[in-house]
Amino acid sequence: DIQMTQSPSTLSASVGDRVTITCRASQSISSWLAWYQQKPGKAPKVLIYKASSLESGVPSRFSGSGSGTEFTLTISSLQPDDFATYYCQQYNSYPRTFGQGTKVEIK
Amino acid sequence: EVQLVESGGGLVQPGGSLRLSCAASGFTFSSNWMSWVRQAPGKGLEWVANIKQDGSEKYYVDSVKGRFTISRDNAKNSLYLQMNSLRAEDTAVYYCARDRPMIMFGGGMDVWGQGTTVTVSS
Repeated sequence: DIQMTQSPSTLSASVGDRVTITCRASQSISSWLAWYQQKPGKAPKVLIYKASSLESGVPSRFSGSGSGTEFTLTISSLQPDDFATYYCQQYNSYPRTFGQGTKVEIK
Repeated sequence: EVQLVESGGGLVQPGGSLRLSCAASGFTFSSNWMSWVRQAPGKGLEWVANIKQDGSEKYYVDSVKGRFTISRDNAKNSLYLQMNSLRAEDTAVYYCARDRPMIMFGGGMDVWGQGTTVTVSS
């Protein structure tokens, strides 16, 4: 199975900060990676797919990059609505696997 | 409106069975792979299983193989998860999700239901 490792696990930031979350795959997944945002009690929402494609309707302050085994999710200017938990997920092979999540908290 | 609505969750004793359902609307259900994803209380997301458009291919995470069965009825626009031999560690919110085609549209799970809660306890 491919292991997905996110860092950091928790991130404290202020409104307006630039935030970067890293996701590492235990083997190459090409660009078959998605990023999801989840708020408490809600279903996840896809932000980025195929490593760098922005989902329709998602603000342009979100961006994704990387390929192979190293990926990043960047929020260019953190907004109050962005405080949430973020997960990466690989869909290169089975079983599909998620990272453990990164919680973005208010500093 | 594109929508997925799960049902069938509840409290079940260890060793028991439960069948989850997911009703799809607003899109051509028969054109998409579909997945189940779960989240244990206070934990992260775990992909459970998915199924091809015509039901001919199914994949599972190792922890549920032999106990859970994913199926679908395209005539009813419905996805199912039959869960047998349930364990305490299966306690979670279970979400159904639509798999976007990888090659044509880039993949990822782009539509999610609201989730249904399964509690395995005596």
